[in-house]
Amino acid sequence: AIQLTQSPSSLSASVGDRVTITCRASQGISSALAWYQQKPGKAPKLLIYDASSLESGVPSRFSGSGSGTDFTLTISSLQPEDFATYYCQQFNSYPQTFGGGTKVEIK
Amino acid sequence: QVQLQESGPGLVKPSETLSLTCAVSGYSISSGYYWGWIRQPPGKGLEWIGSIYHSGSTYYNPSLKSRVTISVDTSKNQFSLKLSSVTAADTAVYYCARQESPYSSGWYYYWGQGTLVTVSS
Repeated sequence: AIQLTQSPSSLSASVGDRVTITCRASQGISSALAWYQQKPGKAPKLLIYDASSLESGVPSRFSGSGSGTDFTLTISSLQPEDFATYYCQQFNSYPQTFGGGTKVEIK
Repeated sequence: QVQLQESGPGLVKPSETLSLTCAVSGYSISSGYYWGWIRQPPGKGLEWIGSIYHSGSTYYNPSLKSRVTISVDTSKNQFSLKLSSVTAADTAVYYCARQESPYSSGWYYYWGQGTLVTVSS
């Protein structure tokens, strides 16, 4: 199975900060990567698919990049509602796998 | 609007079988897409369990494959999960979701609210 390693596992940031989360795949997955945001007690919310395609309705401050094995999720200006846990998911091959998550906390 | 709703017992005894159903509204399962189950142990990350197409074609996580069965009932517009021989390690919030890709694997946009299943005697 393809392993996804997210870093950092947690970070503290302030409103307005630029935040970057990394997801590294154990083997190449082309652009078959999605990013999700999850808040406590809620289902994950899709932010990005195909590594860099912004899901409709998701604020433009979210962006994704990368291909192959290295991917990033960037929040250009952190807003209060962005404090949450973020997961990457690869769907290049079965079994689908998720990264371990990155918790974004208030500084 | 597509909606998914998980249902099933919230408490299962060790060694028994966990059974959950995902009822889909706003879209006919027979029209396409793969439909998946994903779980999340308390305080931990997400784990894909398996996916099914309306034809019954399935993909399972090898780590669970010997214990998992996913089935679909197009007449009721729902799909189901059975996980046998459960242990405390199977305690988790179980989500059903729709894969958003024309291919056999994809990302998830529509999710159920999730249902907590606790394995305990």
